[in-house]
Amino acid sequence: AQKVTQAQTEISVVEKEDVTLDCVYETRDTTYYLFWYKQPPSGELVFLIRRNSFDEQNEISGRYSWNFQKSTSSFNFTITASQVVDSAVYFCALSGNNRKLIWGLGTSLAVNP
Amino acid sequence: EPEVTQTPSHQVTQMGQEVILRCVPISNHLYFYWYRQILGQKVEFLVSFYNNEISEKSEIFDDQFSVERPDGSNFTLKIRSTKLEDSAMYFCASKQDRDLFEQYFGPGTRLTVT
Repeated sequence: AQKVTQAQTEISVVEKEDVTLDCVYETRDTTYYLFWYKQPPSGELVFLIRRNSFDEQNEISGRYSWNFQKSTSSFNFTITASQVVDSAVYFCALSGNNRKLIWGLGTSLAVNP
Repeated sequence: EPEVTQTPSHQVTQMGQEVILRCVPISNHLYFYWYRQILGQKVEFLVSFYNNEISEKSEIFDDQFSVERPDGSNFTLKIRSTKLEDSAMYFCASKQDRDLFEQYFGPGTRLTVT
C-alpha cells in the first residue's frame, strides 16, 4: 500500500527562522514521483516541486530547498529565512505505478512577524 | 502557459439543490480528475475520467455524483441533491497521457451548502 505521512500537523515560527517540513512515504514501486504543494488561505493548490525516484539530488529554489533520501523514504522541505507570506498549508504527495496521487494530511505553517 | 480553469470560484447552495461545478482542462489533455478537500482536511480523490467514461471512482463518489464532458472543452461534476457534508473545496485536474505522473490542478471551487 502507498502512504504519505506528514507528522507535523502545525508549525509556528517567527519570521526569518528556518523551518523544515517533514514528509515520509511508503511505496513498493521502484518508479514513483514525489510532490510538494502549497495551499495558501485563498485555497488554491500551488505546485512547488516534482521529484522522481531516480533523482536523489537535492534541489534549491530561492529560499526553498528539498532533501530527498530514498534510504529513509523521506522528502523533506526546508524554507530558509521564512516570511509571513509563507504561511500556508503544505502538502506532500506521492504518485506511483498506478499514477494515483496519494496525499499527506498536510502541515499548517504559521510564520509570525 | 496553459492552465486548468474552474468556475465558479465559490458556490453557495441550499441543501437538496443540484449543483454543477465546471472545469476547463488543458486543451491537449486526455485524462481528467475531480478531488475534494473538506475544510482543514486532506485532498481526497473522487473520480478519474478518460475517453468519455469513468475509469476509476472512490467510495465517496456515490450515486449523487456524476461527471460529464458535454463538449470538447468542459468537464463537469454534478451533485444531484447536495448535503451539508458536501461543503468542501473541489479541485479539477488533468494530464496529457496515462503514463505521466503529474496532474495539473485548477484553482478549485469552494462549495458551501447551507
